[in-house]
Amino acid sequence: EVQLVESGGGLVQPGGSLRLSCEASGFTFSVHQMDWVRQAPGKGLEWLSYISGSGRAMYYADSVEGRFTISRDNAKNSLFLEMNSLTVEDTAVYYCARTYQLPGPGHLDYWGQGTVVTVSS
Amino acid sequence: DILMTQSPSSLSASVGDRVTITCRASQGISNYLAWFQQKPGKAPKLLIYEALTLQSGVPSRFSGSRSGTDFTLTISSLQPEDVATYYCQKYNSAPRTFGQGTKVEIK
Repeated sequence: EVQLVESGGGLVQPGGSLRLSCEASGFTFSVHQMDWVRQAPGKGLEWLSYISGSGRAMYYADSVEGRFTISRDNAKNSLFLEMNSLTVEDTAVYYCARTYQLPGPGHLDYWGQGTVVTVSS
Repeated sequence: DILMTQSPSSLSASVGDRVTITCRASQGISNYLAWFQQKPGKAPKLLIYEALTLQSGVPSRFSGSRSGTDFTLTISSLQPEDVATYYCQKYNSAPRTFGQGTKVEIK
């Protein structure tokens, strides 16, 4: 059974940093591209970033480029999101999601339950 | 970047009604469009991928279609358990943008 479990959320002051983790199980982690998506309170879904299975290719939304860094440890079946220079606008539920691997672009097929990040003084 | 315009933002329909939600891409994305259902406090759930393909386990009353850069999610007979917010997402390339969402309620 595919499982994705996020952790690392919490309360942080504006300007601070936080590192989110996503532990994967039930599939061959290193084969799959992985994404981070967030949802601010009462708002829609916002795609943030993805990383290739090898970890060599990463892409970011403009809203987080230069502040957030996605990475992965395939030996530990783990995905990370390092978040710096946080602002109140980064307050959201953060989800990790797996991309279904195809020859070509793949869709998000499994999601974690999310971890809550609150940026407030 | 390609914009995804989803409409309507909300709708109210009766049980048994046919419901249609539309997502328009500002440029061609081939069939690289997915639809998700999200219930309050829960993670999104994949309904449709490659614009037309029903995810395993999803009821057959859900269907997807495409006409050029216009994509449609149809619920053929709305059920009480379909109350949720629905999102489209394009995934042909980064950024993998979501539509703004459509909140579906029962009248």
